[in-house]
This record gives sequence, C-alpha cells and structure tokens, in this order.
Amino acid sequence: SQTIHQWPATLVQPVGSPLSLECTVEGTSNPNLYWYRQAAGRGLQLLFYSVGIGQISSEVPQNLSASRPQDRQFILSSKKLLLSDSGFYLCAWSPPGLATEQYFGPGTRLTVT
Amino acid sequence: AQKITQTQPGMFVQEKEAVTLDCTYDTSDPSYGLFWYKQPSSGEMIFLIYQGSYDQQNATEGRYSLNFQKARKSANLVISASQLGDSAMYFCAMREGWYGNNRLAFGKGNQVVVIP
Repeated sequence: SQTIHQWPATLVQPVGSPLSLECTVEGTSNPNLYWYRQAAGRGLQLLFYSVGIGQISSEVPQNLSASRPQDRQFILSSKKLLLSDSGFYLCAWSPPGLATEQYFGPGTRLTVT
Repeated sequence: AQKITQTQPGMFVQEKEAVTLDCTYDTSDPSYGLFWYKQPSSGEMIFLIYQGSYDQQNATEGRYSLNFQKARKSANLVISASQLGDSAMYFCAMREGWYGNNRLAFGKGNQVVVIP
C-alpha cells in the first residue's frame, strides 16, 4: 500500500531564516506530487505540483520554491521566510494520469516568528 | 472567481442523524472531477469520495454519498447515521480538465459537530 511522509511535523522559524520541508511517497511509481498551504481557518491553496522528476509548476508567485530530486521526493524551500508564510503545509500525491483520488500527508505546521 | 463555494455556517447534528453539506462549483470545462475531504482537528486531510463529471450515478462510499446535480452545478455530500468521529471540517474540491491537469481547487470548508 502507498504511504506519504512529511517532516518535520511542526516547525518554528524566525523571519528571514531558510526553510526546507520534505515529502516522500512509498509504494508507487511516478506519482503526481503537490504542495498545498492552509492558512488558519481557511481552505487549501495549491502552491506547486509536479508530474515528474525536475518538472515543477508554480501556482502562486511567492518566496517559496519546490524541487523534485527523485521520483518520490518533493521538497518545499525558502531562502528567507516571511511572517505570511506561517500556515499548515500539506504534501499530496495522486497516481499518474487522471486523478480520481489524491492523498495527503500528515502536514507540517509552520510558525514564523 | 470562486470555483468552489461552501457557504453553510457551522453545523450541529445529532448522533445517528444524517447531514447534508452543500457544495456548488463553477466551471466551463465539460470534463471535471469533484472530491470531498474530511479534516479532523489533527489536521490530516482524509479523502472521502469522488464523482466524475461523466459518471451517470451518484458516488457512494460506505456512509458517504454524493448528491451530484450537474445542471445545478451542485455536489452535496450526505453523511448518513452520523457518528461522534464525524466531527470535523469538510472540504469540497474540483479538478478541471483531463489528463495532465490534476490540480484541485478547494472550497473554504464546512464545520460539522456531532453531538451525542
């Protein structure tokens, strides 16, 4: 069966510090991968998605970036965090091709101070 | 423009009763998919049910069913026989288009509290 991991679970970082969140998927090949952000009390906003290694599409211009160095690894980064980057970050995957399901990881709660 | 609209205020439902969560969507693409997710207080997003735009029958998964009214662009979630563990936020989401485009647009969610 497929499993999706995210770490860390929680993170408190000062403004201006760098960020690296990691997501890995097990039990599937060539998944589509996604990064979402959820602000407090809000719905999810898609940040990035990837259909393959090195292929990244950005949905929202910001100071965040994403990379996919391996088939089942997706990384969210920032060089300098802003207060507005605080939120709940969720990684998700769907099988290749048409998505009739999309599964989420446990999420990372980021607080920028 | 908002693609997914969920406007109900927080809902209280008696245990063992059914609850309907409203979702309307906006798209001009004939090919799309509709998803419902549950988010308990722990934060995880749990996939509940999926309905494709060309599916003739309403989707069902255990106690969850999707009331798909295509002409009204409505995809309401029905939870039958509510349980205390159903207390959570529920999000409706839409995928527009066909292969190569699996991005989901989410609504703002409905809060459900099940009371004993």
